[in-house]
Amino acid sequence: QVRLQESGPGLVRPSGTLSLKCSVSGDSVSNFYWSWLRQSAARGLEWIGRIDLSGETYYRPSLRSRATISVDTPENQFSLTLTSVSAADTAMYFCAGVDPSASDLLHFDFWGQGILVTVSS
Amino acid sequence: DIEMTQSPSSLSASVGDRVTITCRSSENIERYLNWYQQKPGKAPKILIHEASTLKPGVPGRISASGSGTEFTLSISGLQPEDYGTYFCQQSSVTPVTFGQGTKLDIK
Repeated sequence: QVRLQESGPGLVRPSGTLSLKCSVSGDSVSNFYWSWLRQSAARGLEWIGRIDLSGETYYRPSLRSRATISVDTPENQFSLTLTSVSAADTAMYFCAGVDPSASDLLHFDFWGQGILVTVSS
Repeated sequence: DIEMTQSPSSLSASVGDRVTITCRSSENIERYLNWYQQKPGKAPKILIHEASTLKPGVPGRISASGSGTEFTLSISGLQPEDYGTYFCQQSSVTPVTFGQGTKLDIK
């Protein structure tokens, strides 16, 4: 059974960079498609982007210029970097994944527990 | 972006009742529609994918249907553990988008 665990700072300064990691246990990070999502009262559940088996990435257009998702195979984890953050980026951030054998690769079978990130000075 | 609209936004029902939640998309998404249940302080858990296929371990009292722009999720024989917020999500195109959620309380 795949388990995911987010980690990173819970507080980021405005205009700074948000960096989160998602540790994968129970299987190899190389075997799945991975996404980052966030949830806030203002915007609900919001998909940030995805990295697939080849390393190709897809991002929400509104975040494309600020977001980067990457995989660290030796550490069996993947990460999210979001630059130039503002209060609008305050949210619960989730990592999630889907089995590449699924007919639909844009749903989310596995989720981390989430990590609350607050952007504030 | 495709807009997903759920109704009702909240409902309260008793153990044993049948409830239905509706999700409408602003564009035709064929059957690329998924349903999740989220309990307070937890991550969403997928219940249904491709409009009507139950994920393993999801109880058979949960069912879903629909295609195109209108979809429903039904829970019959409501149980205490069915509380939470239910979200629909379209996986037809990126960016994937979610409904605003339907909060289900058990009386």
